[in-house]
Amino acid sequence: DIVMTQSPLSLPVTPGEPASISCRSSQSLLHNNGYNYLDWYLQRPGQSPQLLIHLGSNRASGVPDRFSGSGSGTDFTLKISRVEAEDVGVYYCMQALQSPTFGPGTKVDFK
Amino acid sequence: QVQLQESGPGLVKPSETLSLTCKVSGGSISRGAYYWSWIRQHPGRGLEWLGYIYYSGSTYYNPSLKSRVIISIDTAENQFSLTLNSVTVADTAVYYCARTPGHLNYFDPWGRGTLVTVSS
Repeated sequence: DIVMTQSPLSLPVTPGEPASISCRSSQSLLHNNGYNYLDWYLQRPGQSPQLLIHLGSNRASGVPDRFSGSGSGTDFTLKISRVEAEDVGVYYCMQALQSPTFGPGTKVDFK
Repeated sequence: QVQLQESGPGLVKPSETLSLTCKVSGGSISRGAYYWSWIRQHPGRGLEWLGYIYYSGSTYYNPSLKSRVIISIDTAENQFSLTLNSVTVADTAVYYCARTPGHLNYFDPWGRGTLVTVSS
């Protein structure tokens, strides 16, 4: 299995300020087609997860452009340019190169 | 807009079989572009992919659960199902169904999830 780790596990944020979450995989997620098989999800309180980013850096339909994904190989980052109230929740990275596995989650809430 | 809704018993006894169904609305489950997935989330913990099925019936399972999981599809009813055998308390979780646009790909959208508790 590919093991996913995230840091930090808890991220207090200030509305309007930027935020960043790191995700690392135990094996490279770079496919020979040139794509990184890394996705990001947000699970708001009491809701099911929703897709934010797929293939490392592609925003899903309807996702605000304040969210961006970057990275390649084994190291990836999710950035929020200016945190808003609706961004509170748990963020998960997931690899889809092999049988999908998720990171432990990063809980984002306001200071 | 495709929507998914899980249903099934909320309580299962240890050693028995967990059975859930995911009803798909707003689109045909037989559309060849998609796989149909099951994912679970243990209370207060992370997410675990269980497996998925193609409309043709081809299945892919999480190797760690492969011996206990069966996913089936009913194209006439536009739904797919999860069967998990020989459950223990460790199988207590919220179970989600989701759509996957191809083999080894992202999950979108997800159902709301259904809590299954394993207890005697």
